[in-house]
Amino acid sequence: DTAVSQTPKYLVTQMGNDKSIKCEQNLGHDTMYWYKQDSKKFLKIMFSYNNKELIINETVPNRFSPKSPDKAHLNLHINSLELGDSAVYFCASSHRRYGLAGGEQFFGPGTRLTVL
Amino acid sequence: GQQVMQIPQYQHVQEGEDFTTYCNSSTTLSNIQWYKQRPGGHPVFLIQLVKSGEVKKQKRLTFQFGEAKKNSSLHITATQTTDVGTYFCAGGETSGSRLTFGEGTQLTVNP
Repeated sequence: DTAVSQTPKYLVTQMGNDKSIKCEQNLGHDTMYWYKQDSKKFLKIMFSYNNKELIINETVPNRFSPKSPDKAHLNLHINSLELGDSAVYFCASSHRRYGLAGGEQFFGPGTRLTVL
Repeated sequence: GQQVMQIPQYQHVQEGEDFTTYCNSSTTLSNIQWYKQRPGGHPVFLIQLVKSGEVKKQKRLTFQFGEAKKNSSLHITATQTTDVGTYFCAGGETSGSRLTFGEGTQLTVNP
């Protein structure tokens, strides 16, 4: 069983479109994250949810809207896609109650988004 | 905000050579974590260091956490082609659950 899964794995779309990426974890973790990794491999936190509550909201354009229907799911919706949104988006989860910065983070396989 | 800097950005070594990547934080950390990302893969947790001056080993990998809990290093002895990938450090804030990732060091190993 995959611990953290994301769909789709690849997403190619035109500028201006709206798209969603889904993430699910079966680890029983309380906290989930979205990261963006650019072409230089830099990993940047975008959002974090703990028990469905938004706890980290970095300076991300309003076009990005996360949604956590329950503890095991965290989706990312992107409106009006731009060329600069092309990147790999990783979902991750951790057991926050470990206290020390949430403990070990488990990453999903990533979604490679290409905006044409 | 917290910044975590990692050097070098790239490192090319011959198989059998040693490799070290360094991580420095602008603020005191509660802990530091290290991750490895293989080409085309996702980051995978390697280890977490919590105590000041802590040293941990995993086979050929040695991890250190500085006395001031503001810097860390990962040393690989006698690199192998399986060590290829990007190594990230990630510093935990003393408050909250945010991990700030360094820029990563991309390691290539020539056979």
